[in-house]
Amino acid sequence: EVRLVESGGGLVQPGGSLRLSCAASGFTFSSYAMIWVRQTPGKGLEWVSGITGSGDTTYYADSVKGRLTISRDNSKNTLYLQMNSLRAEDTAVYYCAKETSSSWQSDSWGQGTLVTVSS
Amino acid sequence: DIQMTQSPSSVSPSVGDRVTITCRASQGVSSWLAWYQQKPGKAPKLLIYTASSLQSGVPSRFSGSGSGTEFTLTISSLQPEDFATYYCQQASSFPLTFGGGTKVEIK
Repeated sequence: EVRLVESGGGLVQPGGSLRLSCAASGFTFSSYAMIWVRQTPGKGLEWVSGITGSGDTTYYADSVKGRLTISRDNSKNTLYLQMNSLRAEDTAVYYCAKETSSSWQSDSWGQGTLVTVSS
Repeated sequence: DIQMTQSPSSVSPSVGDRVTITCRASQGVSSWLAWYQQKPGKAPKLLIYTASSLQSGVPSRFSGSGSGTEFTLTISSLQPEDFATYYCQQASSFPLTFGGGTKVEIK
């Protein structure tokens, strides 16, 4: 059974940093691309970033480019999102998701971790 | 960026009704279109991928159709557990983009 468990969320001041982790199990982690998606409370879904299975190619939404960095450690079956220079508008629940084998469509999701950026 | 527009934004059908949700892309995405269901406080769940392929374990009352710029999610006979918000997402190009969601509410 595929399992994705996010951690690392919390309250941070504007301009601060956090690192989110997503621990994966139940599948060959290195064979699948992964993404981060966020959702502001009561609002819709926003794709944040994606990374290929090998980790050699990354993609970012313009709204986070230069501030958030996606990475993965295939030896630890873990996906990361390093979040720097955080802004109030980054406040959201952050989900990690596993992509299908053929495309950027997400067939498994974690439970989400809440990031609150506030002074 | 490819904009995804869903309609309606909300609908209030009765149990047993046929429900159709439309998703339009601002430019062609071929068949790279997914549909997700999300219930309050839960993560999204994949229902349909590549426009019309039913994800394993998803009831057959869900179906998807379309290609290019216009897509449809159909629930053939709405069940109580289907009350949720539904999102489309294009997977044709980066940035990946989602529709604004369609809330299926109890009548």
